[in-house]
Amino acid sequence: GIQVEQSPPDLILQEGANSTLRCNFSDSVNNLQWFHQNPWGQLINLFYIPSGTKQNGRLSATTVATERYSLLYISSSQTTDSGVYFCAVGEYSGGGADGLTFGKGTHLIIQP
Amino acid sequence: GAVVSQHPSRVICKSGTSVKIECRSLDFQATTMFWYRQFPKKSLMLMATSNEGSKATYEQGVEKDKFLINHASLTLSTLTVTSAHPEDSSFYICSARDSGRGYEQFFGPGTRLTVL
Repeated sequence: GIQVEQSPPDLILQEGANSTLRCNFSDSVNNLQWFHQNPWGQLINLFYIPSGTKQNGRLSATTVATERYSLLYISSSQTTDSGVYFCAVGEYSGGGADGLTFGKGTHLIIQP
Repeated sequence: GAVVSQHPSRVICKSGTSVKIECRSLDFQATTMFWYRQFPKKSLMLMATSNEGSKATYEQGVEKDKFLINHASLTLSTLTVTSAHPEDSSFYICSARDSGRGYEQFFGPGTRLTVL
């Protein structure tokens, strides 16, 4: 099956700093999503971005499908940005939409 | 839009009993729903894909007789953990795909199962 690698596994930053999270995947995908998991376990959809670039406030993401990687940018970090960020990909098998394969996540801590 | 709910949010049961978890798409129809499992401080693992009106497709290593999935309508899928054991304790999360929005999946808030 498809492999998903996220880096770095852990990241500690001061409030106001910028950060870049990376997601590498091993095969072609028809779905790539970035999530933030809050302390209660809820997965918050950040981006649906199988290709291209999107921006939403302080967050932006870019996926280069031909090179099989995606980047999540967080600018002017706030303490509320702390948590685990997951990248997940889906590959179309031809028999219907498959479930997502998740990376191991990046644990981000923003210190005041 | 694209809200998914789960019930219950938390359940504690005795070993040997069965537990049913509901996943509902509140404002869209979901022909396909998915069930995931997450162990503490770990990533999410896909358990099965649930298609409305047909049998679920289970991932390798997931016991279909233990984790019964029913997708009886376009807005409801259920996961029943049968004869639960302590090792079944985990965080179970469902997701749903709105066919009108491509392949994007929307996740429920999860159900924390503790088996004593």
